[in-house]
Amino acid sequence: SYELTQPPSVSVSPGQTASITCSGDKLGNRYACWYQQKPGQSPVLIIYQDTKRPSGIPERFSGSNSGNTATLTISGTQAMDEAVYYCQAWDSTTVVFGGGTKLTVL
Amino acid sequence: QLQLQESGPGLVKPSETLSLTCSVSGGSISSSSYYWGWIRQPPGKGLEWIGSIYYIGSTYYNPSLKSRVTISVDTSKNQFSLKLSSVTAADTAVYYCARRSSFGGSKDYFDYWGQGTLVTVSS
Repeated sequence: SYELTQPPSVSVSPGQTASITCSGDKLGNRYACWYQQKPGQSPVLIIYQDTKRPSGIPERFSGSNSGNTATLTISGTQAMDEAVYYCQAWDSTTVVFGGGTKLTVL
Repeated sequence: QLQLQESGPGLVKPSETLSLTCSVSGGSISSSSYYWGWIRQPPGKGLEWIGSIYYIGSTYYNPSLKSRVTISVDTSKNQFSLKLSSVTAADTAVYYCARRSSFGGSKDYFDYWGQGTLVTVSS
């Protein structure tokens, strides 16, 4: 079965750029999306089809996908961005989620 | 504004069947542009896709759960439902319902989520 691998945790200082990776075999040949989940809340879609942002998502969130790795980049990270981030892709007709990355802003 | 709301028992006994319903408001479940899905999250763990359904009844299930899962849709009530049989403690999780786009070809994503409901499997 297809697997997506994310680092368990990433730390960033306020105002700096955070990068969260998601690795999978030839992931660049499929689309990736990203969700943000804050404690006690439902996941929120922040990036879809590799690079697109839904309405209402700040421009500081961006995505890329090439080779075996999709990357979520948060520019000018704010304290409110502290959350767990999940990548998601497809394996034929099956939805696959990465294990999640906890972003700490300190 | 589209809203999804999960409902069902919060406690299920081992070996029994977990049953949840997702009520959709602010939009039609019969739209040809979307699928509707279930995702779960064990306490303190990550997300796991359970399955998805199209308004005409086409279903897709996680292979690891397929033998125990049934997802159905009731367009007259604008609802879809999940049944998970023979549950064990490992099925204890927050269960989310969500709307999924239907572009196909790996382009799809979940853009609206319910608030989630915790289901505990315990005797």
